[in-house]
Amino acid sequence: GENVEQHPSTLSVQEGDSAVIKCTYSDSASNYFPWYKQELGKRPQLIIDIRSNVGEKKDQRIAVTLNKTAKHFSLHITETQPEDSAVYFCAIGNQAGTALIFGKGTTLSVSS
Amino acid sequence: EAQVTQNPRYLITVTGKKLTVTCSQNMNHEYMSWYRQDPGLGLRQIYYSMNVEVTDKGDVPEGYKVSRKEKRNFPLILESPSPNQTSLYFCASSLGQTGTGELFFGEGSRLTVL
Repeated sequence: GENVEQHPSTLSVQEGDSAVIKCTYSDSASNYFPWYKQELGKRPQLIIDIRSNVGEKKDQRIAVTLNKTAKHFSLHITETQPEDSAVYFCAIGNQAGTALIFGKGTTLSVSS
Repeated sequence: EAQVTQNPRYLITVTGKKLTVTCSQNMNHEYMSWYRQDPGLGLRQIYYSMNVEVTDKGDVPEGYKVSRKEKRNFPLILESPSPNQTSLYFCASSLGQTGTGELFFGEGSRLTVL
């Protein structure tokens, strides 16, 4: 079945540094790649997504890049701030179109 | 305000005592789903529904039931809870009939089964 691997599981950066989280997936038919942010004690919320006909998408300090040939996609956060501290989940749309398959999450800590 | 509402938010129960976690959305979304979140395992889908009276199993359906009698409601039923069902549960909805668009999550229901 579909699978998505997310790395690293934890990431600590200094405020102002960049952070990169990478996900690899197995199903070449996947065509939807969202990223969710979950702050401590809160619900996951979509922060950015990309479809397979696009290689990169930016929204202010965050960007997602997609390499369909290599079957991986990455979240880039620039100029990190303490409020970026959270758990980030990548996901892929499953082939049947019935679910998002989530990675195991990356805990990002931004220290000031 | 557009939202997904779950109840209860916190529940401690004992093995075998049937319980229901309710989920309601006011966005007229077609698709609804239940996920459980466990440390180190991420979010795993339990059940989903693409429309009224249409439900199907996700990746971890054992021990759970759902129903979709109305578009806005999608309750999760644990007929005979066991300790391995101790988890954080999220209900989510999406506008389209597929689960591959933006998911809007409820606030979560933390369940402890003793």
